Amino acid sequence: QQQVKQSPQSLIVQKGGISIINCAYENTAFDYFPWYQQFPGKGPALLIAIRPDVSEKKEGRFTISFNKSAKQFSLHIMDSQPGDSATYFCAARQAGTALIFGKGTTLSVSS
Amino acid sequence: NAGVMQNPRHLVRRRGQEARLRCSPMKGHSHVYWYRQLPEEGLKFMVYLQKENIIDESGMPKERFSAEFPKEGPSILRIQQVVRGDSAAYFCASSPPRWGRMTGELFFGEGSRLTVL
Repeated sequence: QQQVKQSPQSLIVQKGGISIINCAYENTAFDYFPWYQQFPGKGPALLIAIRPDVSEKKEGRFTISFNKSAKQFSLHIMDSQPGDSATYFCAARQAGTALIFGKGTTLSVSS
Repeated sequence: NAGVMQNPRHLVRRRGQEARLRCSPMKGHSHVYWYRQLPEEGLKFMVYLQKENIIDESGMPKERFSAEFPKEGPSILRIQQVVRGDSAAYFCASSPPRWGRMTGELFFGEGSRLTVL
């Protein structure tokens, strides 16, 4: 059973455009929703995270939108750059447990 | 402050051999997690350990796989009698002792890539 469903699997965006990646979850006990970024040959690294008591969090060009009633959250990358080309993972966890990850989205930003 | 250290970075084994992957967490971190990554399957949770204690092994295959995090030394993920389907990247992550509301970040190593011939 996949607890965190991520889409799309891959995404191509023009430089300067907006990249949007979506995730849906099932477990209402989840209380922490991070996004991780992974470059080829490297380990994932935390990009931005949100708690369910807020609907949006912004850090620079990266924004998480969170819809608790729909059990969905999304990552928006504004003014996408070639250096943003990477694999992005959404994740979720409930207190005291390990992070559960989505299957990932490969983003390519064309110049 | 050194990050999470994994070794070996690349490991080649023949079917039936044993693979041992090691992970040294960040300084001050006492929680270790192992994940397996296959193309198009994302990061799959395997096991969550604290020093000398397995907290959650719900993602570990029932046979051939084991993990430990001793009082001294690195955490070790052990795969016995490897098969071709075990070929994957294995990532270790660590977190500090207090997994409270204000933080939940996992710090990942660069992975160990196992190839089974």
